[in-house]
Amino acid sequence: NAGVTQTPKFQVLKTGQSMTLQCAQDMNHEYMSWYRQDPGMGLRLIHYSVGAGITDQGEVPNGYNVSRSTTEDFPLRLLSAAPSQTSVYFCASSSTVGSPLHFGNGTRLTVT
Amino acid sequence: EDKVVQSPLSLVVHEGDTVTLNCSYEVTNFRSLLWYKQEKKAPTFLFMLTSSGIEKKSGRLSSILDKKELFSILNITATQTGDSAIYLCAVSLNTGNQFYFGTGTSLTVIP
Repeated sequence: NAGVTQTPKFQVLKTGQSMTLQCAQDMNHEYMSWYRQDPGMGLRLIHYSVGAGITDQGEVPNGYNVSRSTTEDFPLRLLSAAPSQTSVYFCASSSTVGSPLHFGNGTRLTVT
Repeated sequence: EDKVVQSPLSLVVHEGDTVTLNCSYEVTNFRSLLWYKQEKKAPTFLFMLTSSGIEKKSGRLSSILDKKELFSILNITATQTGDSAIYLCAVSLNTGNQFYFGTGTSLTVIP
């Protein structure tokens, strides 16, 4: 049972480039979310989804897009990368509202 | 504004010591408080607390919630080097299944 799988593990982008961070879970969880983790800031919610076809914004959504076409996948798109988006990104899922989050191993993104 | 505050920010102790980590919160629509341990990669779940005064325990770790004073503590007794990690506190809200995280407490246990 793989749990939550994120790819890639590391990525370096130049300012203005676009990319998609992939997240997949095999636990049939309805709820999925994206967080970024910065030193001294903790984990901050970017976007989340309560089911296929439904997404909503978290605390820090600007510069990021998401979609949820299947229960399993929840990709995060950076349309035009900026140095302020340098961070570690975590995808997480949970089975029901309020149940504990299961995290992927993270993607370390550097934007130069 | 919803917020979760953890203290201390960092802590260095010797093996065998007992530590207490603190988490206070100010949120609307509180559902539960969760503790996670983060070593090199993904945070891993420790406890979820929903009721005041009921201690949750797992081995040398225990935690309790005070919903009147809006805080929780995580205790680790007889610390070991494997307890070295960042400990994260998160609060779950009733609206939209959102979680707000504190900045974490970095614990280092030296032999």
